[in-house]
Amino acid sequence: AQKITQTQPGMFVQEKEAVTLDCTYDTSDQSYGLFWYKQPSSGEMIFLIYQGSYDEQNATEGRYSLNFQKARKSANLVISASQLGDSAMYFCAMREGGYSTLTFGKGTMLLVSP
Amino acid sequence: NAGVMQNPRHLVRRRGQEARLRCSPMKGHSHVYWYRQLPEEGLKFMVYLQKENIIDESGMPKERFSAEFPKEGPSILRIQQVVRGDSAAYFCASSPPIDNEQFFGPGTRLTVL
Repeated sequence: AQKITQTQPGMFVQEKEAVTLDCTYDTSDQSYGLFWYKQPSSGEMIFLIYQGSYDEQNATEGRYSLNFQKARKSANLVISASQLGDSAMYFCAMREGGYSTLTFGKGTMLLVSP
Repeated sequence: NAGVMQNPRHLVRRRGQEARLRCSPMKGHSHVYWYRQLPEEGLKFMVYLQKENIIDESGMPKERFSAEFPKEGPSILRIQQVVRGDSAAYFCASSPPIDNEQFFGPGTRLTVL
């Protein structure tokens, strides 16, 4: 079974609109962490936001927020007020229990149009 | 404080040659992770190293691939006798001993002709 599932291969949004990128995860661990990374066309991996499994509040970082629904095992990324520079691949990732390594989803390509 | 450095950024090899990818972690980071990204895919974990030790190599192919993180110097990912299927972006990440947050380097794009 896939540990991280991103069901949207591509998303389109107009500038200044909000967009939600889906991520569901599968783990039997009680302690885990969820990450979102942005990969622009230049290729680097840029950390956006982190949510711990015991965090009671949804994480927020500027225009990024994580809609964490633990019972549904979903950790959707919400980008408010999209900008042209948000066009990129977005990856959801999980770190489980005592492991340090990250498991990534296949990514969602976001295109922001003027 | 420089970020994670990887070199070269782009590497072209012919089938059968060796590829050496280098990763210098951030200052103060003693943990290094290597990931591989095939075209149109997410990153896949390969190996996790601490200074002079391989902690987890469960994602590393059994043959032709090796990794090291010596006491001095960068971490090296070595691919012997490269094949076309090795063409990918290879990312290195580092983290400090206590905090597990990983900081990624810019990646090395390997092309095998």
